[in-house]
Amino acid sequence: QKEVEQNSGPLSVPEGAIASLNCTYSDRGSQSFFWYRQYSGKSPELIMSIYSNGDKEDGRFTAQLNKASQYVSLLIRDSQPSDSATYLCAVNRNTGNQFYFGTGTSLTVIP
Amino acid sequence: EAGVTQSPTHLIKTRGQQATLRCSPISGHTSVYWYQQALGLGLQFLLWYDEGEERNRGNFPPRFSGRQFPNYSSELNVNALELEDSALYLCASSLGDWREYFGPGTRLTVL
Repeated sequence: QKEVEQNSGPLSVPEGAIASLNCTYSDRGSQSFFWYRQYSGKSPELIMSIYSNGDKEDGRFTAQLNKASQYVSLLIRDSQPSDSATYLCAVNRNTGNQFYFGTGTSLTVIP
Repeated sequence: EAGVTQSPTHLIKTRGQQATLRCSPISGHTSVYWYQQALGLGLQFLLWYDEGEERNRGNFPPRFSGRQFPNYSSELNVNALELEDSALYLCASSLGDWREYFGPGTRLTVL
């Protein structure tokens, strides 16, 4: 079983719609959760971090965490073509400070 | 504020050779992480350095090694290169709050 699993996609949404990206993790002891955006040929860029159950909003982005279900999601409201990228979910167990990354979900926003 | 820098951008080696990759963290960051991103695979954790010490390493053979210098910059060495070592090697730095900031990466090609 992989530490972090994501649907690889591709996920396509029309411009202005809500994009929903999902991630599950295997270690119940995980404490810190992150979403990164990676444009093709570029390095990952941190866009959201979440540490406690519930929702965390930052502009058009909302991260949701449910530790009981071992589930993290990212919602992108009013999707723009510039949001087209691969989104990586990352989890930190804190023990050993080791990050585990999912393989990413490819998102395409269609104008 | 300058971001994480890595050198070289591209590196071409032949099987059996050694490769040295370098990383300079964001000013004030003491933690440096190294990752391998092979084509079609997610980010694989290689090494974590903090305050000059190796704190954790991922599931990679000993021919992957490195160090962190007193100025917190870091070096990744890969000995006895194999074809499957061809990948993008990413360095990230952190202030210790589990948020990582990635450099642009070094593309290593082993022929």
